[in-house]
Amino acid sequence: DIQMTQSPSSLSASVGDRVTITCRASQGISNSLAWFQQKPGKAPKSLIYGASSLQSGVPSKFSGSGSGTDFTLTISSLQPEDFATYYCQQYNNFPFTFGGGTKVEIK
Amino acid sequence: QVQLVQSGAEVKKPGASVEVSCKASGYTFTNYRMHWVRRAPGQGLEWMGVINPTGGSTTYAQKFQGRVTMTRDTSTSTVYMELSSLRSEDTAVYYCVRGGAVAGTSSVFDYWGQGSLVTVSS
Repeated sequence: DIQMTQSPSSLSASVGDRVTITCRASQGISNSLAWFQQKPGKAPKSLIYGASSLQSGVPSKFSGSGSGTDFTLTISSLQPEDFATYYCQQYNNFPFTFGGGTKVEIK
Repeated sequence: QVQLVQSGAEVKKPGASVEVSCKASGYTFTNYRMHWVRRAPGQGLEWMGVINPTGGSTTYAQKFQGRVTMTRDTSTSTVYMELSSLRSEDTAVYYCVRGGAVAGTSSVFDYWGQGSLVTVSS
């Protein structure tokens, strides 16, 4: 199975900060990488697919980059509604696997 | 608009089985695969498997092989996930997720169900 390692596991940031989360795959996955946002008690929300393509309706403050084994999710200007847990996922090979999550908290 | 509506919360005893349903609307049901993902308390997201609603073919994560069965009813646009031989570690919120057109090779997740809490307790 492909292991997905996210870092950091948690971070504290202020409104307006630029935040970057990284995700590393244990083997190359081309650009078959997605990012999801999950808030407490809610279903995950799909943000990015294909490493850098925004899902419909997702604001442009979210951006993704990377290919192969190393990927990043950037939130350009953190807003109160962005405090949540973020997960990466590879969908290049079965079983699809997720990173352990990054909890973004208010500083 | 695309909607995935799941069945309600369940409480089961160890060793029992549970079936969670996911009713799709707002798109052509047989055009998209459906995946199941779970999140146990304090844990991350875990992929369980996928069903192709067109022919009913499935692929399951090795971890759940022999315990999970995914089926579909095209007449009601509903997919089902049954998990048997339940243990306490199966306590989790289970989600259905639409992922990838059947006609294509992509498996991009887009729409999620609201989740169904399954509690396994004696």
